[in-house]
Amino acid sequence: QVQLVESGGGVVQPGRSLRLSCAASGFTFSSYGMHWVRQALGKGLEWVAVVSNDGSNKFYADSVKGRFTVSRDNSKNTLYLQMNSLRAEDTAVYYCARDSRGYTYIFDHWGQGNLVTVSS
Amino acid sequence: EIVLTQSPGTLSLSPGERATLSCRASQSVSSSSSLAWYQQKPGQAPRLLIYDASSRATGIPDRFSGSGSGTDFTLTISRLEPEDFALYYCQQYGSSPRTFGQGTKVEIK
Repeated sequence: QVQLVESGGGVVQPGRSLRLSCAASGFTFSSYGMHWVRQALGKGLEWVAVVSNDGSNKFYADSVKGRFTVSRDNSKNTLYLQMNSLRAEDTAVYYCARDSRGYTYIFDHWGQGNLVTVSS
Repeated sequence: EIVLTQSPGTLSLSPGERATLSCRASQSVSSSSSLAWYQQKPGQAPRLLIYDASSRATGIPDRFSGSGSGTDFTLTISRLEPEDFALYYCQQYGSSPRTFGQGTKVEIK
């Protein structure tokens, strides 16, 4: 079955960097667009970034543009989110999610989530 | 940006009752039906229930149904089961930026 397992979260100081990973299994990773979606504690969902199946196209929410970089390694079935210049408002649970077909922004499978806390 | 407003904020119902959740868009959703519904339980990731406004995702029971187009959408749970008490989000994916509603909590009365 489809599995998405995030790692790399933790506590980081404002202005520092962190990289999240999402290991995929149970499907042909290289055939699907992949997303990052975040959720501040007790708050709603916010789409963060998407990368196309071959990694050639990437799009970002305005709130993270220029600071976050999404990438993927299809040989390792792994999705990444490099987060630089972190701010307190980036504190959230970060989910990786599979696009249901191409990149329609329909999220049909989600990882378990990984908490990132930005605090001094 | 399309703002999605979900109502009510909280729905208090008993098992076996019918739940009707509303999602209203601030402007028409592109292609009229580019709307999804997700269910989220405490400490868990969201789960896709409905996409394209009315299509059930794989493995979703037929007591869940979606309807609507344009700016007004509805998620209906025909008979609430104990496992259906959760938070529900709508999401539009027809226009950039893709946005979510603020959620409706379905709680046990």
